[in-house]
Amino acid sequence: QKEVEQNSGPLSVPEGAIASLNCTYSDRGSQSFFWYRQYSGKSPELIMSIYSNGDKEDGRFTAQLNKASQYVSLLIRDSQPSDSATYLCAVRDNAGNMLTFGGGTRLMVKP
Amino acid sequence: NAGVTQTPKFQVLKTGQSMTLQCAQDMNHNSMYWYRQDPGMGLRLIYYSASEGTTDKGEVPNGYNVSRLNKREFSLRLESAAPSQTSVYFCASRSGGGTEAFFGQGTRLTVV
Repeated sequence: QKEVEQNSGPLSVPEGAIASLNCTYSDRGSQSFFWYRQYSGKSPELIMSIYSNGDKEDGRFTAQLNKASQYVSLLIRDSQPSDSATYLCAVRDNAGNMLTFGGGTRLMVKP
Repeated sequence: NAGVTQTPKFQVLKTGQSMTLQCAQDMNHNSMYWYRQDPGMGLRLIYYSASEGTTDKGEVPNGYNVSRLNKREFSLRLESAAPSQTSVYFCASRSGGGTEAFFGQGTRLTVV
């Protein structure tokens, strides 16, 4: 069974700090990687996607992918209380059909 | 732009009752998914449909059936509901390849 692992948290950071969220996956053939944010009682919404090794930046968010280590991370700079949510890592399999999610990491940004 | 629409939003069932959760997308996406999310947990894949006319089991298919009625619609059926199926159900769709999935607003199901 293909697995996607995340630390459940909560991860608590002060406002203005950098939040670092991590995810590991078991399927070495995985091709696409996504970070979703989910507020309590809401549906997941996409924050970042990354497909090749290295960093991808979008505003305050940076996704990092290391396929050799089977590791993907999300950095949130200048964290805001509005960033407080659960962050879900998702991995698309090699065939391109299944999208598997990790258990999510709850982030708390304290004013 | 409706995106992915799920009905109903809330439902309470008695053990043994059956029901169908409906999902429709207006983005001309090829792939559709049904996930369940239990408290404090991520999304677990129940069934998916890579394209119209095909369906495949995900991680937790037992107790569920699906139908890909056409390209727009993908329904999830509980034939005999059990308390263990109390959960929030999310439908999602994506166009294919490496693209991201878009989610419906969820159906909160309680089985008593």
